Amino acid sequence: DTAVSQTPKYLVTQMGNDKSIKCEQNLGHDTMYWYKQDSKKFLKIMFSYNNKELIINETVPNRFSPKSPDKAHLNLHINSLELGDSAVYFCASSQTRGRTEAFFGQGTRLTVV
Amino acid sequence: GESVGLHLPTLSVQEGDNSIINCAYSNSASDYFIWYKQESGKGPQFIIDIRSNMDKRQGQRVTVLLNKTVKHLSLQIAATQPGDSAVYFCAENQAGTALIFGKGTTLSVSS
Repeated sequence: DTAVSQTPKYLVTQMGNDKSIKCEQNLGHDTMYWYKQDSKKFLKIMFSYNNKELIINETVPNRFSPKSPDKAHLNLHINSLELGDSAVYFCASSQTRGRTEAFFGQGTRLTVV
Repeated sequence: GESVGLHLPTLSVQEGDNSIINCAYSNSASDYFIWYKQESGKGPQFIIDIRSNMDKRQGQRVTVLLNKTVKHLSLQIAATQPGDSAVYFCAENQAGTALIFGKGTTLSVSS
């Protein structure tokens, strides 16, 4: 069983479209995250949810909106996609906030054309 | 803001050699550190972690060293194998925050 799974794995879309990436974890963890990895492999935290509550919201355009329907799911919706949104997006989860390892999904490669 | 960084973007070693990957962190309040390995097309995978009350921690073929005085973290891989080729990230964490990642070192192992 995959611990953290995200769909789709690849997403190609045109500028201006709205798209969503879904993430689910079956580890029973309380905390989930979205990270963005750019073309230089730099991983940057975007959002963090703890028990469905938003606890970290880094400087991310408000076109990005996370939604956590329950503790096991954290979806990422992106409005009005721009070329600069092209990146690999990783979902992750950890048992608690801080001082513990995070488990990552396999990533979603988003390409905006 | 403060962030974790790595000294070298790439490291090339011969199979069987020991590898040392370095990382400098700037946030003295960080109290937990992790090394991750990321293979091509995959998400980061946990290798080893260390808390700030320790200087050294060993795993299978890997050792993490923490020097809080100079805010330096290193990952040592013994008898490096081709399967160790990947991008390695150090990450730091403070209580209640998410992991903050450094820029990554690409390790290439030639046989």
